[in-house]
Amino acid sequence: AQSVAQPEDQVNVAEGNPLTVKCTYSVSGNPYLFWYVQYPNRGLQFLLKYITGDNLVKGSYGFEAEFNKSQTSFHLKKPSALVSDSALYFCAVRDIKSGYNKLIFGAGTRLAVHP
Amino acid sequence: GAVVSQHPSRVICKSGTSVKIECRSLDFQATTMFWYRQFPKQSLMLMATSNEGSKATYEQGVEKDKFLINHASLTLSTLTVTSAHPEDSSFYICSARSGGAWATNEKLFFGSGTQLSVL
Repeated sequence: AQSVAQPEDQVNVAEGNPLTVKCTYSVSGNPYLFWYVQYPNRGLQFLLKYITGDNLVKGSYGFEAEFNKSQTSFHLKKPSALVSDSALYFCAVRDIKSGYNKLIFGAGTRLAVHP
Repeated sequence: GAVVSQHPSRVICKSGTSVKIECRSLDFQATTMFWYRQFPKQSLMLMATSNEGSKATYEQGVEKDKFLINHASLTLSTLTVTSAHPEDSSFYICSARSGGAWATNEKLFFGSGTQLSVL
């Protein structure tokens, strides 16, 4: 079965420091991986996705993610965190066995960026 | 960018009543929409996949008679929580797919969610 794991419930970072939000996946076949961000009482916003090609994917708001096949990871990164980056981040994998391409989400990681 | 409008953003209702939540794609046609439920501090759980002009596909454990989904047009899907009870209180989020399945331009856009509180 397709699944993603986000091992950290919360990540705390000082503003200006680099941040990493971890995600590992388990899929059969080639993975289709996504990162979304959710602000309080809001829907999800797309950050970036990996389907094929370069292992380093650049997305919105200065975020990037590195696909690592050997470690089955897709960690989200940003070189310099902003307080406004504080939100809930979800990693997701596409369920390729589903005819409707539904997404399976990780449990989410709360990012707190402190001034 | 594409926008998905979800309404209402917040609803409080009495136990036993029904509540309808609307999800509209404002500037694109969405043949497929998804309905999720999110409990506090937890991930999104897919409830059902809504396809325009056909019956919704429900995930295991989701009562189709309780959570009625209608996708009557390419821009509107509705979720009706029938005979709501306090345990149905949750944050409900819809998403709409832009572009064809597996197309390179395919994207999912999410509504802003509906907080349902059943008293």
